[in-house]
Amino acid sequence: GAVVSQHPSRVICKSGTSVKIECRSLDFQATTMFWYRQFPKQSLMLMATSNEGSKATYEQGVEKDKFLINHASLTLSTLTVTSAHPEDSSFYICSARPGGSNQPQHFGDGTRLSIL
Amino acid sequence: DAKTTQPPSMDCAEGRAANLPCNHSTISGNEYVYWYRQIHSQGPQYIIHGLKNNETNEMASLIITEDRKSSTLILPHATLRDTAVYYCIVRVGGYGQNFVFGPGTRLSVLP
Repeated sequence: GAVVSQHPSRVICKSGTSVKIECRSLDFQATTMFWYRQFPKQSLMLMATSNEGSKATYEQGVEKDKFLINHASLTLSTLTVTSAHPEDSSFYICSARPGGSNQPQHFGDGTRLSIL
Repeated sequence: DAKTTQPPSMDCAEGRAANLPCNHSTISGNEYVYWYRQIHSQGPQYIIHGLKNNETNEMASLIITEDRKSSTLILPHATLRDTAVYYCIVRVGGYGQNFVFGPGTRLSVLP
């Protein structure tokens, strides 16, 4: 089945550091990928839609200058958390969908980001 | 997107069938029903999806009512590893469509 790989699985870093998270579709091409954030004991919240070759679309309340998204190829999207602070600590998850109008989205295993 | 309503939690005895309900009374004709589950500290795992007909795969069965206003996910023989949060999502088909997650149902499979 379709596989989405996310890397790294866990990051611990100091406040002020920028952190890059990669999301790859391993066996299919994805012109659109999605980035979610999940705080403890809450559901997934969509942050942004990543579009290959064009600008990402951000959900209301998500700072585009804080969360930089690059979707330079049909199999790779990256999310960079710039100048991260403790309140950015969260579980970040990406997803992508193979071709076909009713195909399900497939999710990466997530990245646990902890800012000290 | 149609809203979905799920019970916040359910228990099931190991080896028994787990029946997880979902109400989606405002679903429209072109919206599919998708089920995912999330085990702690992992990304959501796709289980099954359907439009009108009942569906079955190696993981589960999906029963959709004739009026499509509700559905039930059935895990035929629940194991301890099925303990997770289960999400029911309705969404139109379409390549660029994101999924909206509600709070889901926390299923606890008990020994």
